[in-house]
Amino acid sequence: GAGVSQSPSNKVTEKGKDVELRCDPISGHTALYWYRQSLGQGLEFLIYFQGNSAPDKSGLPSDRFSAERTGGSVSTLTIQRTQQEDSAVYLCASSYIGVGEQFFGPGTRLTVL
Amino acid sequence: AQSVTQLGSHVSVSEGALVLLRCNYSSSVPPYLFWYVQYPNQGLQLLLKYTTGATLVKGINGFEAEFKKSETSFHLTKPSAHMSDAAEYFCAVSDRGGADGLTFGKGTHLIIQP
Repeated sequence: GAGVSQSPSNKVTEKGKDVELRCDPISGHTALYWYRQSLGQGLEFLIYFQGNSAPDKSGLPSDRFSAERTGGSVSTLTIQRTQQEDSAVYLCASSYIGVGEQFFGPGTRLTVL
Repeated sequence: AQSVTQLGSHVSVSEGALVLLRCNYSSSVPPYLFWYVQYPNQGLQLLLKYTTGATLVKGINGFEAEFKKSETSFHLTKPSAHMSDAAEYFCAVSDRGGADGLTFGKGTHLIIQP
């Protein structure tokens, strides 16, 4: 079956612009996660959605970052007024009922000029 | 809060030699522990996981890891390295049974010498 997909695979933007990154989880997976991977900080957890519960936003680095999940499936991570330090690979993962293995997508490489 | 320490940002071994990648964790509750592998320009793939029960866990591609509570360790091993094992390896911990965001170590880049 299809894995986690993310789009776009690469995004180049100018400082100050807003960007939206999309994640399509594996069908039937109720939990969805966003992570950021950068050279300086490694892999960092950003936000976690589980079913209809309020998301765990404890990893979001600033209020410029937000995410939503529509219909319990597709998720969009939005970064407003992008800064150069936002440049990173943004990874999405999903899991079944939020327990056990998280399946990762290929990531979106964001470059802020 | 949990944390993960991976000793050695780079490990180099000869093809056919033993692979040992070290991981130590801290957690206030019984942890779930994971090893992921990342090949160049790809996402993360699960190698193996420890949840409960048997402390020696076998994974894909001949890798295994042993959970040692007394040492708070979860080291990854493979008896004989292949060139195809060259990749970045990440150890991760969850203290909510996997139902939360994982905390990752900084990663270890495994280099295989011919």
